[in-house]
Amino acid sequence: AQTVTQSQPEMSVQEAETVTLSCTYDTSENNYYLFWYKQPPSRQMILVIRQEAYKQQNATENRFSVNFQKAAKSFSLKISDSQLGDTAMYFCAFCYGGSNYKLTFGKGTLLTVNP
Amino acid sequence: SQTIHQWPATLVQPVGSPLSLECTVEGTSNPNLYWYRQAAGRGLQLLFYSVGIGQISSEVPQNLSASRPQDRQFILSSKKLLLSDSGFYLCASIKTGEDLNTEAFFGQGTRLTVV
Repeated sequence: AQTVTQSQPEMSVQEAETVTLSCTYDTSENNYYLFWYKQPPSRQMILVIRQEAYKQQNATENRFSVNFQKAAKSFSLKISDSQLGDTAMYFCAFCYGGSNYKLTFGKGTLLTVNP
Repeated sequence: SQTIHQWPATLVQPVGSPLSLECTVEGTSNPNLYWYRQAAGRGLQLLFYSVGIGQISSEVPQNLSASRPQDRQFILSSKKLLLSDSGFYLCASIKTGEDLNTEAFFGQGTRLTVV
């Protein structure tokens, strides 16, 4: 069974600083997708970044980047130049690309950006 | 991109009453559909997922059931609500295989309070 672990329930960072959120997963599959989702207080789920497992290059989206270590089954999110609007719950998620399409989330990390 | 319609946004129901939450998808065909429950400040617990019409996989044995009567319709039901069914329910849709655009889309959520 696939599992996603986020070991940091809460984190805080000063505005303009850099923070890294960790995520590890467990799977025996080779073809899958990984995501980071942001959930602000409105509870709307917002895609931050995605990574296809077959791509060796780490995904980047503006201030957001990932460190994807496939052998170690690690998928951390780095937020550079943190902004107050980045304050939210962040979820790491895994989806197998084959016949089992179960989309599994970690328990989340509550990130607070302090002024 | 996909749009997920989920209603109602909020619901207050007495213990023992039935439940029906509906989710419909626009902008894609044959998506994988999911129902999640989220307790306050907690992660997303996968309740059910479906890869096609009439195909339902249950993740957590409980007081709830799901059905998929049409390709883009996913319904969460209960015959008799319990207090423990209170929570925030999210419907999600994902279509894997389209590598460049694979992402999960979410409805706005339903806040259910059982009294």
